Amino acid sequence: DTGVSQNPRHKITKRGQNVTFRCDPISEHNRLYWYRQTLGQGPEFLTYFQNEAQLEKSRLLSDRFSAERPKGSFSTLEIQRTEQGDSAMYLCASSLKGNQPQHFGDGTRLSIL
Amino acid sequence: DAKTTQPNSMESNEEEPVHLPCNHSTISGTDYIHWYRQLPSQGPEYVIHGLTSNVNNRMASLAIAEDRKSSTLILHRATLRDAAVYYCILVGVGSQGNLIFGKGTKLSVKP
Repeated sequence: DTGVSQNPRHKITKRGQNVTFRCDPISEHNRLYWYRQTLGQGPEFLTYFQNEAQLEKSRLLSDRFSAERPKGSFSTLEIQRTEQGDSAMYLCASSLKGNQPQHFGDGTRLSIL
Repeated sequence: DAKTTQPNSMESNEEEPVHLPCNHSTISGTDYIHWYRQLPSQGPEYVIHGLTSNVNNRMASLAIAEDRKSSTLILHRATLRDAAVYYCILVGVGSQGNLIFGKGTKLSVKP
């Protein structure tokens, strides 16, 4: 069990730029989740995958956000035309199946200048 | 998923037991009670979960009230490393599995 890995750990970019984050889940886990966390708040659900299929998206996931999980392995989260309000910690989690405990990565902290 | 209520913060002394309460008065019969914690600068970490009976693992114990409207996470001997935000979350058996986090309880541990 090598844990959930997220890259990069930190990303600083200018407003209007596109950014992409990567998440490598625990290898046998079918479920993969993305959350966003702002300072002083608990994480908020964004979207999740069952293998390669994206099954649910939160209303927080505007059309500037897109997530993929090709071949049901790693996942990417892309934000286009970043805005100040996108500054947050983006967390990835995986689980063996729904309702099982989730294992989280340490997140990617995004700062928009 | 039903809502939970936790105190904003608690303090404990090192090596003493800590009881972290959670109220979930609108819990349904098929909701599991999950606890996660988040240490500074890290992602959340699963601690324990249960349905009706009390549960123990190497990290903590979970005591569930008979009517299931409340539960208590018990850390038997707090260490400095236990200083974290603790989240109590209800997960329905038929839910998609996405966790709904509140603000949790920030636990401070004094040496």
